[in-house]
Amino acid sequence: GNSVTQMEGPVTLSEEAFLTINCTYTATGYPSLFWYVQYPGEGLQLLLKATKADDKGSNKGFEATYRKETTSFHLEKGSVQVSDSAVYFCALGAYTGANSKLTFGKGITLSVRP
Amino acid sequence: EAGVVQSPRYKIIEKKQPVAFWCNPISGHNTLYWYLQNLGQGPELLIRYENEEAVDDSQLPKDRFSAERLKGVDSTLKIQPAELGDSAVYLCASSYSGLAGGEQFFGPGTRLTVL
Repeated sequence: GNSVTQMEGPVTLSEEAFLTINCTYTATGYPSLFWYVQYPGEGLQLLLKATKADDKGSNKGFEATYRKETTSFHLEKGSVQVSDSAVYFCALGAYTGANSKLTFGKGITLSVRP
Repeated sequence: EAGVVQSPRYKIIEKKQPVAFWCNPISGHNTLYWYLQNLGQGPELLIRYENEEAVDDSQLPKDRFSAERLKGVDSTLKIQPAELGDSAVYLCASSYSGLAGGEQFFGPGTRLTVL
């Protein structure tokens, strides 16, 4: 079945540091890949997505490239801000017949200190 | 545009009691999802609706959980009776279609504590 593996957390960085959060997946077919973010006290929000191999999703300075050869979708940001402190979830979306659901990783908590 | 609305936001009950959660999806979204999120884990799908029809309920524990989506809009998820292990956050999401690549919009969730 489909699965998503995220690096273990939590991650604590200083403001303006470079961020990488690793995500790898196992899937049949041709999944779409997502990063969702959950800010404190709020619901999950889509951060970015990529729907086919070699696509790059980007939003709010975050980027992730769909790498089919390494089955990865690592999230990066060149300079994090305190406001980026949140929980980040990598997710896989696959459409097979009547089943269409998101398979999430465990999530990783990012804390950015001033 | 209003987002996905869920109520209540928090619920504390004794074990063996019933509990119900309500979700109002984004207007025009025909697909509605209920997810379960345990502490420190990612959400897991419980059930997916296309309009009024439950098209994927394979992960719903049907001995104690039930759901309905009358008229293809609002949805209610019920647990009867609740067990200690049901303590978690219950998330509702909606999307315009169930196809891959379609963005799902999530509500804030209902945090259930079973004592």
